[in-house]
Amino acid sequence: AQKVTQAQTEISVVEKEDVTLDCVYETRDTTYYLFWYKQPPSGELVFLIRRNSFDEQNEISGRYSWNFQKSTSSFNFTITASQVVDSAVYFCALSIMEYGNKLVFGAGTILRVKS
Amino acid sequence: GAGVSQSPSNKVTEKGKDVELRCDPISGHTALYWYRQSLGQGLEFLIYFQGNSAPDKSGLPSDRFSAERTGGSVSTLTIQRTQQEDSAVYLCASSLARGEYEQYFGPGTRLTVT
Repeated sequence: AQKVTQAQTEISVVEKEDVTLDCVYETRDTTYYLFWYKQPPSGELVFLIRRNSFDEQNEISGRYSWNFQKSTSSFNFTITASQVVDSAVYFCALSIMEYGNKLVFGAGTILRVKS
Repeated sequence: GAGVSQSPSNKVTEKGKDVELRCDPISGHTALYWYRQSLGQGLEFLIYFQGNSAPDKSGLPSDRFSAERTGGSVSTLTIQRTQQEDSAVYLCASSLARGEYEQYFGPGTRLTVT
């Protein structure tokens, strides 16, 4: 069975602070995909990143960076110099091709960035 | 280009009535997924379509739920004899194909069963 755990229910930071959102996953499959989605107050899920299990390179996109470590089954997300517009619920998700690539989501982390 | 669209955006219905929720995927996307988001259960998978066939219906919570997809495009999720526990946001997503492609989500339909 596949499982995604986001242990942080809610995080509050002050603008310009760095913040890391944790994601731990479980799967017995060797080929899988990991995702992060953002759900702002408007409600629509916004795709942020996809990473496949064979690519452990970290990625940086502007203020966003992702750290994928297979050894610890983690796919953490860091926002540098957070801004109020980053306030949202962030979901980590896992998919397996064998199961049609349906997404298994973590419970989500609520990020509140205060000015 | 247009994203995934869903209608209606909000639906209030009485317990016991049937409802139909519609999803228009991104043009050219062959894979289509339905999920449900509720406070108690988080984001749950319901059903997946590849073209017009549904290889995975494992997430449908009961036989009151059904879905179809026609012309490899529009999909309809039908809930018969709605119950209060069906109240949730129903999300549709599409992707280019089954595989290493990200899913793009629609704005959802908020269903309230009174």
